Amino acid sequence: TQLLEQSPQFLSIQEGENLTVYCNSSSVFSSLQWYRQEPGEGPVLLVTVVTGGEVKKLKRLTFQFGDARKDSSLHITAAQPGDTGLYLCAGSQRYSSNTGKLIFGQGTTLQVKP
Amino acid sequence: GAVVSQHPSRVICKSGTSVKIECRSLDFQATTMFWYRQFPKQSLMLMATSNEGSKATYEQGVEKDKFLINHASLTLSTLTVTSAHPEDSSFYICSARGTPSNQPQHFGDGTRLSIL
Repeated sequence: TQLLEQSPQFLSIQEGENLTVYCNSSSVFSSLQWYRQEPGEGPVLLVTVVTGGEVKKLKRLTFQFGDARKDSSLHITAAQPGDTGLYLCAGSQRYSSNTGKLIFGQGTTLQVKP
Repeated sequence: GAVVSQHPSRVICKSGTSVKIECRSLDFQATTMFWYRQFPKQSLMLMATSNEGSKATYEQGVEKDKFLINHASLTLSTLTVTSAHPEDSSFYICSARGTPSNQPQHFGDGTRLSIL
């Protein structure tokens, strides 16, 4: 069974603090996506990383794909209450029967207090 | 961007009822659709993968006779929870993807199913 270990699972911080969420696996992924989900809604795609060592920035969010394409991180600078939500990483493996099936991490529930 | 519409957003019904959930891709052809189940504050659990015009592939432990999936067109897939019981209460989410297979999945807004 391929696993994507996401940590931490819960994080409660004050507005203005920085944080990092990690996703780790022993398996290689052809791409990795990060999603953000709010209660009662579906996940919204934030970014897709495909190249080992790739770094992508989305305003205060920085996403990195590990050199070996087995791990990824999401760093948020100066967190704001609007960043509160469930963050999910999901990996895709090239040889998953051409379905593009995603393997999801356990999720990180982030609460940013004003 | 790509839009996936899921309907209904919320269903409350009695035990023993069958419930159908629709998932539509509004502006692209979805060759593959995925159905997930999500418990509170947990991640998404893949239930099945459905390709247009063929039988769905179910994940281990998911009863295919309980969760019927139909993907008859490139823009519509349905999940029917047959003879639903309280333990089937959950948040069900669909996603859709076009071709090639490395295209990202686009998610619907989910259906909150509550069985009394």
